[in-house]
Amino acid sequence: GEDVEQSLFLSVREGDSSVINCTYTDSSSTYLYWYKQEPGAGLQLLTYIFSNMDMKQDQRLTVLLNKKDKHLSLRIADTQTGDSAIYFCAESSSSASKIIFGSGTRLSIRP
Amino acid sequence: DTEVTQTPKHLVMGMTNKKSLKCEQHMGHRAMYWYKQKAKKPPELMFVYSYEKLSINESVPSRFSPECPNSSLLNLHLHALQPEDSALYLCASSQDPTTKAQYFGPGTRLLVL
Repeated sequence: GEDVEQSLFLSVREGDSSVINCTYTDSSSTYLYWYKQEPGAGLQLLTYIFSNMDMKQDQRLTVLLNKKDKHLSLRIADTQTGDSAIYFCAESSSSASKIIFGSGTRLSIRP
Repeated sequence: DTEVTQTPKHLVMGMTNKKSLKCEQHMGHRAMYWYKQKAKKPPELMFVYSYEKLSINESVPSRFSPECPNSSLLNLHLHALQPEDSALYLCASSQDPTTKAQYFGPGTRLLVL
């Protein structure tokens, strides 16, 4: 079945770039997403990319997609304390109504 | 208005109680979703409503009963829950079932005693 995998933790110094990686197995994945969840809050859709794109940039966020390797990454430039959260990678295919989430990467920022 | 709102924020209930969770969106979205999220886990899909009709039930126990009174509102009725049902319940919506970007509410944190 479909699977999405992420590393569980990432620690980054304030001001550095953070890179969160994700791999997925479903070759029919059409949409890939990054969601952010702060403690006690719901999920915030940060960005998403269609599978026919390689890259998408939105202010401090850059998403890279390597469809051949089924690898997705989220780069956060100039990481700030407000970026501390759990980041979920997710995918869906055009034929399915559901989104498959990874287990989430907890990003912590050190001074 | 790009918000999904949920009430209440917190709920404590006994195993014999009946309660309801409410979700509202005014984005004109025609697909709405209920998810359950346990601590340190990703959200798990429970139900999908498409144009106010139930389209997906992920084998959820009948003690959870969803309802979609109109295109802006989604309810989740709870009855005879178990302590293991304690979780964060998240509502989401998307423009339609084929538009995959889902927007989430802040959730209701439920504790079953």
